[in-house]
Amino acid sequence: GAVVSQHPSWVICKSGTSVKIECRSLDFQATTMFWYRQFPKQSLMLMATSNEGSKATYEQGVEKDKFLINHASLTLSTLTVTSAHPEDSSFYICSARRLPEGDTQYFGPGTRLTVL
Amino acid sequence: GENVEQHPSTLSVQEGDSAVIKCTYSDSASNYFPWYKQELGKGPQLIIDIRSNVGEKKDQRIAVTLNKTAKHFSLHITETQPEDSAVYFCAAPGAAGNKLTFGGGTRVLVKP
Repeated sequence: GAVVSQHPSWVICKSGTSVKIECRSLDFQATTMFWYRQFPKQSLMLMATSNEGSKATYEQGVEKDKFLINHASLTLSTLTVTSAHPEDSSFYICSARRLPEGDTQYFGPGTRLTVL
Repeated sequence: GENVEQHPSTLSVQEGDSAVIKCTYSDSASNYFPWYKQELGKGPQLIIDIRSNVGEKKDQRIAVTLNKTAKHFSLHITETQPEDSAVYFCAAPGAAGNKLTFGGGTRVLVKP
């Protein structure tokens, strides 16, 4: 159990376009999901915390209007990178917290975004 | 907020030897300490975790120890195998408990 999927696994887009990434918990319900960004050979940096049915909480320095997060159901959260630029190229990873464990986070396989 | 430091940043061991990775955290309210393994191009995979009410936890070749007084915890891998080669991350939640702060990662290379 505790499987998290992401779609797409990789995407290439042109500068100025928007890209949507989906994160799904396949075999459990997740009231809270997290979005991370990881640059090559670096650690995971939390971008935002996504709570089902409410607005996401963004970390300091993360533009909420650029990285739109929607958590419409207990199994799906989406991250939309709007007006993408080459500096947004990165590995985006989501995680989901499974109740009743509460604090354990299970990660998706990640999405490689390349902006040309 | 929580601050997690992880050492070493790289670790090269001979197959069959043990590997130890250490992490320190700053917030004494942290009560949950997971370890993740990340292979190239993949998402992190939870390999073991420990809660603050125990000092040690073991799962086959991996073990984690926790010293709450000193605010540090360690990952121990025994009888290392080439498939153990990956980047390992520790994490701690801090007082709020609703999100994790990750260490900088340790790149482990197991040489056959």
